[in-house]
Amino acid sequence: NAGVTQTPKFQVLKTGQSMTLQCAQDMNHEYMSWYRQDPGMGLRLIHYSVGAGITDQGEVPNGYNVSRSTTEDFPLRLLSAAPSQTSVYFCASRRTSGAQETQYFGPGTRLLVL
Amino acid sequence: RKEVEQDPGPFNVPEGATVAFNCTYSNSASQSFFWYRQDCRKEPKLLMSVYSSGNEDGRFTAQLNRASQYISLLIRDSKLSDSATYLCVVNNFNKFYFGSGTKLNVKP
Repeated sequence: NAGVTQTPKFQVLKTGQSMTLQCAQDMNHEYMSWYRQDPGMGLRLIHYSVGAGITDQGEVPNGYNVSRSTTEDFPLRLLSAAPSQTSVYFCASRRTSGAQETQYFGPGTRLLVL
Repeated sequence: RKEVEQDPGPFNVPEGATVAFNCTYSNSASQSFFWYRQDCRKEPKLLMSVYSSGNEDGRFTAQLNRASQYISLLIRDSKLSDSATYLCVVNNFNKFYFGSGTKLNVKP
C-alpha cells in the first residue's frame, strides 16, 4: 500500500513551458486535492475532486487545470508556467464518508519556474 | 480576511514545558477541524482531529470553541521530537483551509 504518490519530486521549468504533475493513490479514496505551499505560508487549495469525473476550484485555481478520469489519478496541469508558480505542490486524498475523515498527503513536488 | 489565522511563533520552550497554540477561523458554518504537524520540507501529517467535546491523545489535547470560533492545541511535557510546525485546518464543505502554521522549537 503506497498511499499517495507524486511525480516528479523536483522540476525546473522555463517561463511559458507546460507540464503535468502526477498524483496517484491506492486507497480507493473518492476525494483528491492539490495544494501549493509558499514560504512562510500554509497550504492553499488549488483544485479538488470528490470522485471520478467531478472537479471543482479551490482558493487559487488560476493557471492550473485538472481532470479526474479514474479514482486513482488526479494530475495537475500547468498550461504556461510563470515564476509566480514556483512553489511546493502537495496532493492529498481522503474518504468522503464523513466530515471528520482525514487527508493523506503525498511527499510533494518542488517546482522552480525561471 | 483569512479563513484561518494562527500565530506564526516561533515558540521556543524547554523540554518538559507545556505549550498552547490557538487558531481562529472565520466561517461559522465550518464542519470539521484538525491539527496537522509538518516537519521541515515534508508533507503535513495528521496530529489529531478536533471535536466539540474536546479530545486528548497522550500528551496532546485539542479543544474547539464554536461560539468564539477558535481551536486550541495543548502539548504537555514537550519533547525534542515535538519541534515542528503545527497547522490548524478547517473543512468548509470539502474545501480545506490551512493556517500558516505555528513553529515550535523545543530546546534541551
